[in-house]
Amino acid sequence: SYELTQPPSVSVSPGQTATITCSGDNLGNKYTSWYQQKPGQSPVLVIYEDRKRPSGIPERFAGSNSGNTATLTISGTLSMDEADYYCQAWDTSPGIFGTGTKVTVL
Amino acid sequence: EVQLLESGGGLVQPGGSLRLSCAASGFTFSIYAMNWVRQAPGKGLEWVSRISTNVGKTYYADSVKGRFTISRDNSKNTLYLQMNSLRAEDTALYYCATNYSTAYSFDSWGQGTLVTVSS
Repeated sequence: SYELTQPPSVSVSPGQTATITCSGDNLGNKYTSWYQQKPGQSPVLVIYEDRKRPSGIPERFAGSNSGNTATLTISGTLSMDEADYYCQAWDTSPGIFGTGTKVTVL
Repeated sequence: EVQLLESGGGLVQPGGSLRLSCAASGFTFSIYAMNWVRQAPGKGLEWVSRISTNVGKTYYADSVKGRFTISRDNSKNTLYLQMNSLRAEDTALYYCATNYSTAYSFDSWGQGTLVTVSS
């Protein structure tokens, strides 16, 4: 079965750039999405189709996807960006989620 | 505004059954595929099942295939998940989700309903 691997944790200072990777076989050939989930809340879509931002998502969230790796970049990270982040792609199953990354803003 | 409201969760013994519901509003329910996604306590997201629109084609994660059945009633704008032969590892918060404005993402989520499988 298809798997998506993320680093368990990423730490970033306020105002700096957080980079979260998502690795999967030939992931660049699939559309990748990213979700933000804060404690006790439902996931929120922040990036879809590799690099598009839904309405209401700040420009500091950006995505890319090439080869075997998709990347979510948070520029000028704010304390409110502290959350768990999950990548997701479509393979033979409609929804494959990554292992998740906890972003801590120190 | 898209709204999804799950219900039906609770405590059930191993081997038991439960039916979850998801009431949808704010969009034309019948023309959108619907999904169930779950999250075990302290764990990540796991896609569980998907049902297409009127044709009702269904898809399942290997972990629930043969035990869970997804269905929908377009006249009631409601999505269902019938869960049989429940196991401890099915304990999770179950979310209803759809790709209302995107093709390959889950852009709308409910608040979830908690299923606990324990004796």
